[in-house]
Amino acid sequence: DAGVTQSPTHLIKTRGQHVTLRCSPISGHKSVSWYQQVLGQGPQFIFQYYEKEERGRGNFPDRFSARQFPNYSSELNVNALLLGDSALYLCASSVWDGNTEAFFGQGTRLTVV
Amino acid sequence: AQSVSQHNHHVILSEAASLELGCNYSYGGTVNLFWYVQYPGQHLQLLLKYFSGDPLVKGIKGFEAEFIKSKFSFNLRKPSVQWSDTAEYFCAVSAGGGADGLTFGKGTHLIIQP
Repeated sequence: DAGVTQSPTHLIKTRGQHVTLRCSPISGHKSVSWYQQVLGQGPQFIFQYYEKEERGRGNFPDRFSARQFPNYSSELNVNALLLGDSALYLCASSVWDGNTEAFFGQGTRLTVV
Repeated sequence: AQSVSQHNHHVILSEAASLELGCNYSYGGTVNLFWYVQYPGQHLQLLLKYFSGDPLVKGIKGFEAEFIKSKFSFNLRKPSVQWSDTAEYFCAVSAGGGADGLTFGKGTHLIIQP
């Protein structure tokens, strides 16, 4: 069975640029969440989407946005990149948007220079 | 908002030693509790979870955790660790309806010496 897949695996961007990260959930999972993991810290919640609607949002600036497509895949967009956005971005999928087990992908390592 | 505190950031043990990693959370309502593990170069994997019922939960690879509501704690234990248990361990909480995602602790880096 294919797990949660994320692309790209690594990315280098320059300050001020825009980035799009992609996530495909496990087949049958309708909810996707995004997390940011800075080195030495636990993952921090950014967004949760379920059935193409935003269901939850963490404490991140409006430069961060996301969407979910009819096939339940998702994109995370970050505008006007800052050096501090350098992190591992994790996508997690779950069957629904409530209290249930989340399955994580390998992540996208974003470096902003 | 909920928060999670993991007391031990770095733990070094010898093989066959017993393990206990502390986790405390702050939230006054109903919570669901998780322990995730991240082996070197791999993605986060669920070790065990508590939603309701028996507060002593068993997970994969011989791990278990006990939910003590009065202490707001969910400590992870393993009676005898192996070299392959070397990894980063994260305690996480989801509260309310779960739409606010998981709140993670900062993690504990566990090194098992052969």
